Amino acid sequence: NAGVMQNPRHLVRRRGQEARLRCSPMKGHSHVYWYRQLPEEGLKFMVYLQKENIIDESGMPKERFSAEFPKEGPSILRIQQVVRGDSAAYFCASSPALAGGYEQYFGPGTRLTVT
Amino acid sequence: QKEVEQNSGPLSVPEGAIASLNCTYSDRGSQSFFWYRQYSGKSPELIMSIYSNGDKEDGRFTAQLNKASQYVSLLIRDSQPSDSATYLCAVNDGGSNYKLTFGKGTLLTVNP
Repeated sequence: NAGVMQNPRHLVRRRGQEARLRCSPMKGHSHVYWYRQLPEEGLKFMVYLQKENIIDESGMPKERFSAEFPKEGPSILRIQQVVRGDSAAYFCASSPALAGGYEQYFGPGTRLTVT
Repeated sequence: QKEVEQNSGPLSVPEGAIASLNCTYSDRGSQSFFWYRQYSGKSPELIMSIYSNGDKEDGRFTAQLNKASQYVSLLIRDSQPSDSATYLCAVNDGGSNYKLTFGKGTLLTVNP
């Protein structure tokens, strides 16, 4: 599968637990983006990463949320001490390192449910 | 606050007709414009990108861009029931180039 991969596809956590969402970009892509889609709302940018670098995390809540994209392995979006309001679909997208135009290709998403 | 506005719909068209989806955006610095299709419960799928004023055609899809009017549209010719989905307009942040702002989407229903 040459597409963007995300796992798990569904994740259930109780309030106060930690959620770890993983994303492997499309082959040949070095840029990773995380978006959140709340029910009845549009996709919202959270963070943009390149290997070992967080380029822009302006869309990510300051508390409890963190992201990384290590030299080896997938990108991780980590949510500590989850609350019910964190329930959403989290999508990862990737793009190649193009000089202009940033066509982003989305993975299947992780549906997080906080009980 | 940079905004991307779309008519939420639903937009209902008969099979074989042309579906016209519209989008306006507030950031005059935006340079990249995208249309995504999202089936219910699935992830967004990129169907068109456009960067210059005018029309861009790809199969049954035509994207139209007018930067002066801050307007981008998507036409779907010969609409099929399989085109029934939510169509998302995405516009890059003029200040960053990579950050996309999405509209809330237009729900399209193609009736057989």
